Amino acid sequence: GAVVSQHPSRVICKSGTSVKIECRSLDFQATTMFWYRQFPKQSLMLMATSNEGSKATYEQGVEKDKFLINHASLTLSTLTVTSAHPEDSSFYICSAEGGRNNEQFFGPGTRLTVL
Amino acid sequence: AQKVTQAQTEISVVEKEDVTLDCVYETRDTTYYLFWYKQPPSGELVFLIRRNSFDEQNEISGRYSWNFQKSTSSFNFTITASQVVDSAVYFCALSEAFSGGYNKLIFGAGTRLAVHP
Repeated sequence: GAVVSQHPSRVICKSGTSVKIECRSLDFQATTMFWYRQFPKQSLMLMATSNEGSKATYEQGVEKDKFLINHASLTLSTLTVTSAHPEDSSFYICSAEGGRNNEQFFGPGTRLTVL
Repeated sequence: AQKVTQAQTEISVVEKEDVTLDCVYETRDTTYYLFWYKQPPSGELVFLIRRNSFDEQNEISGRYSWNFQKSTSSFNFTITASQVVDSAVYFCALSEAFSGGYNKLIFGAGTRLAVHP
């Protein structure tokens, strides 16, 4: 149980395009989901926290108009990188909070490359 | 401020050696959780352990063991008889309960472990 999926696993796009990444909790409901970004050889940095049915809370320094987060249901959150640029190339990981102890379960990550 | 420090950037050992990965944390809360995750080259985070602040008992799981010392704010991780498959980046993380009801994870910088045959 407690499986989180991400789609796509890998995406390559041209500069200026928008990319949508989906995060799904497959066998549990997640009121809260988190989005992290990880640059090569660096740690995971929390970008934002999304709660179902309300606006996401962004960490300091993360542009909310560039990284649009929608948490429309208890099993799905999406992150849209708008007008992507090469500096947005990174590994994006989501997690979903659930279970008896409010644990965080991580998705497998999405590797974004912007040309 | 909450902070997790993993001072060892990279560790290289030969198979069958024991290795300890250090983790030191800072928090003002009395209730918190500590975690260790493994990130192999594939990138997917693998959960290893979660320990709450009220449980200072050491834990052993196979070749893995953890030493939690509140007096020194440390939560160290030891791999006994390391194997090549243990090669990965290991992250220590801290979670505090927020008033919003969810737990925000703060990660350390990670320690890259290379186990050579």
